[in-house]
Amino acid sequence: KAGVTQTPRYLIKTRGQQVTLSCSPISGHRSVSWYQQTPGQGLQFLFEYFSETQRNKGNFPGRFSGRQFSNSRSEMNVSTLELGDSALYLCASGLAGGRVTNTEAFFGQGTRLTVV
Amino acid sequence: AQSVTQLGSHVSVSEGALVLLRCNYSSSVPPYLFWYVQYPNQGLQLLLKYTTGATLVKGINGFEAEFKKSETSFHLTKPSAHMSDAAEYFCAVSFDPVYGGSQGNLIFGKGTKLSVKP
Repeated sequence: KAGVTQTPRYLIKTRGQQVTLSCSPISGHRSVSWYQQTPGQGLQFLFEYFSETQRNKGNFPGRFSGRQFSNSRSEMNVSTLELGDSALYLCASGLAGGRVTNTEAFFGQGTRLTVV
Repeated sequence: AQSVTQLGSHVSVSEGALVLLRCNYSSSVPPYLFWYVQYPNQGLQLLLKYTTGATLVKGINGFEAEFKKSETSFHLTKPSAHMSDAAEYFCAVSFDPVYGGSQGNLIFGKGTKLSVKP
């Protein structure tokens, strides 16, 4: 069974540009979450999607947005990039939104975004 | 608000020695607790989790953790360190959906980098 796939693995963008990151969850998983990982702030929750609906949202500005498609694939968009957006962006998928006891989050390898 | 504190951003042990990584949580509702490991330039891999039931949880690669409610702790241990254990370890907390929790909304500690000396 294929794992969580994130593309691209590495990305370099210029300040002010926008970027779209992609995440393909494990087959059968309907929940997709996004996290930002930086040396200073650690791992921070961005948002979670389930069945194409945003279910939870972290404390990030509106420049960060996401969506989920009917096949559960998800994209994350960051507009008007700032230097501080440089980070490893991790996607995690899980089974249908049941109780946490019945499932766990499986992480992809991440997309390393560098803003210059 | 819920939070996770990992004591020690860096821990160094000798090969064959006990590994002890500390995690304390703060929560107003019953927590679900997780330990993840991250190797360089990789994603996170689940080592073990506590949700309900037995408080001593065994995970992969010989790791285990014990949930101690009275101490609000979930420390990770391994009896004998191996060179391949060198990585960064993250403790995380979530909650039952009844309390607004979700499998996809994890609160992470800052991480502990484990070094293993030969």
